[in-house]
Amino acid sequence: DGGITQSPKYLFRKEGQNVTLSCEQNLNHDAMYWYRQDPGQGLRLIYYSQIVNDFQKGDIAEGYSVSREKKESFPLTVTSAQKNPTAFYLCASSLRGWNEKLFFGSGTQLSVL
Amino acid sequence: QQQVKQSPQSLIVQKGGISIINCAYENTAFDYFPWYQQFPGKGPALLIAIRPDVSEKKEGRFTISFNKSAKQFSLHIMDSQPGDSATYFCAARTSYDKVIFGPGTSLSVIP
Repeated sequence: DGGITQSPKYLFRKEGQNVTLSCEQNLNHDAMYWYRQDPGQGLRLIYYSQIVNDFQKGDIAEGYSVSREKKESFPLTVTSAQKNPTAFYLCASSLRGWNEKLFFGSGTQLSVL
Repeated sequence: QQQVKQSPQSLIVQKGGISIINCAYENTAFDYFPWYQQFPGKGPALLIAIRPDVSEKKEGRFTISFNKSAKQFSLHIMDSQPGDSATYFCAARTSYDKVIFGPGTSLSVIP
């Protein structure tokens, strides 16, 4: 089955710790995205990548970092600089950059211990 | 100007009724208006979308109505079913630019 796989489904972070969320897609899509979802605030863009080895900051990039070394993979690191990391994180992809249809993974719920 | 407003925040509809969710925007450069449906614990999925050159688009029980002059668009779910209970996001996009999402509407369809 083609799709986007996010792991883990649940993740806990200790104070001062960096954690990495995994996102893998087998749709052969060029573009990948990370969104943060908080109750009542919709989806906010963290980072996006339209091609391998290139990525851009979204609206709320502070405290996060990404890499895009392979077309299939776009991991997100939540650093200790992100003071309010508790949220539902969604990875998405599209055939081309900002193509009309976004395909989303099932998300990772990150909580702070 | 990049914001997309959405109402209501939550909605309870009886089975068989009509669910209506409204969205508004300011940026007249938006040229694509999708709606996404999200079930609890899952990622959103594209439900239906419209371009501003048409006033209505229907797919099964789901209809988008678009009012370009008022800069408003809405989702109508006819014959609402308990399986439609989900969070619905309207969104807007300009060509080759990022998608802007509304804050979402939590729909509960009760038997």
